[in-house]
Amino acid sequence: ELKVEQNPLFLSMQEGKNYTIYCNYSTTSDRLYWYRQDPGKSLESLFVLLSNGAVKQEGRLMASLDTKARLSTLHITAAVHDLSATYFCAGNKAAGNKLTFGGGTRVLVKP
Amino acid sequence: EPEVTQTPSHQVTQMGQEVILRCVPISNHLYFYWYRQILGQKVEFLVSFYNNEISEKSEIFDDQFSVERPDGSNFTLKIRSTKLEDSAMYFCASKLGSNYEQYFGPGTRLTVT
Repeated sequence: ELKVEQNPLFLSMQEGKNYTIYCNYSTTSDRLYWYRQDPGKSLESLFVLLSNGAVKQEGRLMASLDTKARLSTLHITAAVHDLSATYFCAGNKAAGNKLTFGGGTRVLVKP
Repeated sequence: EPEVTQTPSHQVTQMGQEVILRCVPISNHLYFYWYRQILGQKVEFLVSFYNNEISEKSEIFDDQFSVERPDGSNFTLKIRSTKLEDSAMYFCASKLGSNYEQYFGPGTRLTVT
């Protein structure tokens, strides 16, 4: 059974600084996803990482995947208030299967 | 852009009542899912549905839960006798094929009193 753990659970950020969220998973995952969720809202897909060494970037967010370490990271560069949200990583053991989510990281960016 | 829709956005029900949550997946998608998220917690898988049958279900998805695709466009989740602990946000998701990404609907907030 795939287990996904994120840390930290809560991240208080200062605007302009860099931060990293970590996502560890327990067994082979077919692919790794990152989502953003604003309070009371649905899940917005940020990145899909398919293979070892994959790196994707969108604006101030960059996600990477190390399948050997079973670790994905979400790096935030020069945090801004608009990035305040909860970020989830999720994996699935095989194509077609359910997503298993991490516990989420609540990000609060303070001026 | 096609999207998954869900109705209602918020449902309040009394304990012991039956509820049906409705989802309209993206039209050519073949795989369908229900997840739930208790307030402040992580998203949990409930059930997956493919080729008109359940392909996987979690321990949460007990005999009180059922799913149906009654007419080729809707995908419903029924809870027969709601409990207080069923209060959560329920998300529907769909995807085109096995190697494709899941798209999530906006969710239905279920409040059981």
